[in-house]
Amino acid sequence: GAVVSQHPSRVICKSGTSVKIECRSLDFQATTMFWYRQFPKKSLMLMATSNEGSKATYEQGVEKDKFLINHASLTLSTLTVTSAHPEDSSFYICSASKGTDTQYFGPGTRLTVL
Amino acid sequence: QKEVEQDPGPLSVPEGAIVSLNCTYSNSAFQYFMWYRQYSRKGPELLMYTYSSGNKEDGRFTAQVDKSSKYISLFIRDSQPSDSATYLCAMSGPTGNQFYFGTGTSLTVIP
Repeated sequence: GAVVSQHPSRVICKSGTSVKIECRSLDFQATTMFWYRQFPKKSLMLMATSNEGSKATYEQGVEKDKFLINHASLTLSTLTVTSAHPEDSSFYICSASKGTDTQYFGPGTRLTVL
Repeated sequence: QKEVEQDPGPLSVPEGAIVSLNCTYSNSAFQYFMWYRQYSRKGPELLMYTYSSGNKEDGRFTAQVDKSSKYISLFIRDSQPSDSATYLCAMSGPTGNQFYFGTGTSLTVIP
């Protein structure tokens, strides 16, 4: 149990376009979902925390108007990178939690902005 | 001081060796302790989960938590080349949704 999926796994887009990434908890209801960004050979960088039905809490330095997070249900959260630029190219990973005990990660989405 | 400290390595061992990975932390309220394994270009995979102090064993992996010293360890016995990955420790407290991750230790097991 505790499987988290992400879609798409890879996306290439042109500069200025928007990209949506979906994160789903497949076999449990996630009270909280997290979005991370990871640069090559670097640790996870938490971007935001979202609870179902409420606004996401963004970490300092993360632009909420650029990285739109919607947590519409207990099994689905989406991250939209708006007006993407090459510097937004990165590995984006979501995770889901049933509570305070642990997080289950998705396989990640590699975004390349040309 | 960071909430969680983890030696980034890299750590390189011969196949069959015993590997010891460690993290220290500063917040005595942490109660849940996790180890994740992350292969290159993949999401982290939960390896071990421990509540409070003590040891937990799963196959070749043993997780230890020493709350008095604020120190957690992951031991890998009979290490295999397939164990080559980055290992992340993580912990969380009794309430809320805050998790704290170590920076990860890169491990290479040489055949």
